[in-house]
Amino acid sequence: DVKVTQSSRYLVKRTGEKVFLECVQDMDHENMFWYRQDPGLGLRLIYFSYDVKMKEKGDIPEGYSVSREKKERFSLILESASTNQTSMYLCASSSISGYNEQFFGPGTRLTVL
Amino acid sequence: QKEVEQNSGPLSVPEGAIASLNCTYSDRVSQSFFWYRQYSGKSPELIMSIYSNGDKEDGRFTAQLNKASQYVSLLIRDSQPSDSATYLCAVRGAQKLVFGQGTRLTINP
Repeated sequence: DVKVTQSSRYLVKRTGEKVFLECVQDMDHENMFWYRQDPGLGLRLIYFSYDVKMKEKGDIPEGYSVSREKKERFSLILESASTNQTSMYLCASSSISGYNEQFFGPGTRLTVL
Repeated sequence: QKEVEQNSGPLSVPEGAIASLNCTYSDRVSQSFFWYRQYSGKSPELIMSIYSNGDKEDGRFTAQLNKASQYVSLLIRDSQPSDSATYLCAVRGAQKLVFGQGTRLTINP
């Protein structure tokens, strides 16, 4: 079974802090994604990556950056957290072979005070 | 027009009945379609994938795809209270999946 893990289920940070969200997958997937999910707004893609050290902006990249130093690990960085970044953050991965089904991690609920 | 559209619901269905969830998409070249189930406070879980016109059955779930009309649907037979969740439709775009807003389904005992 595909397993995608995220470093924290719940996180509370203060405005202006630098925040790191980690995602690890164990299925040797090439593609990895970061989404945020807010009530009424659905899933919104922040960044994605098709290979190590490669990244592409999604629909809402402002205020975020990412890092992919190893194939299995994809990190989301909030350089200076703000209250409007309070959200559920979801990581997903998929293989380039087959039909690109994405498999999600359990999510991190981030609260910025 | 949104790329992937779903009725947000809530859709209320009595236990044991068939629940029917619908999704339309705008990109005619889309080739892969997915249904995810998301329980409140949890992450989306892939439950069905469909790539060819017609029906695909898996247990109580049937996905239906009509590329000419650009819609994909999910039928849940013998609905159970545990099927109460939000169901997300996703369509494979050029490099990523495009998700609908989701339909909230409630199964009433």
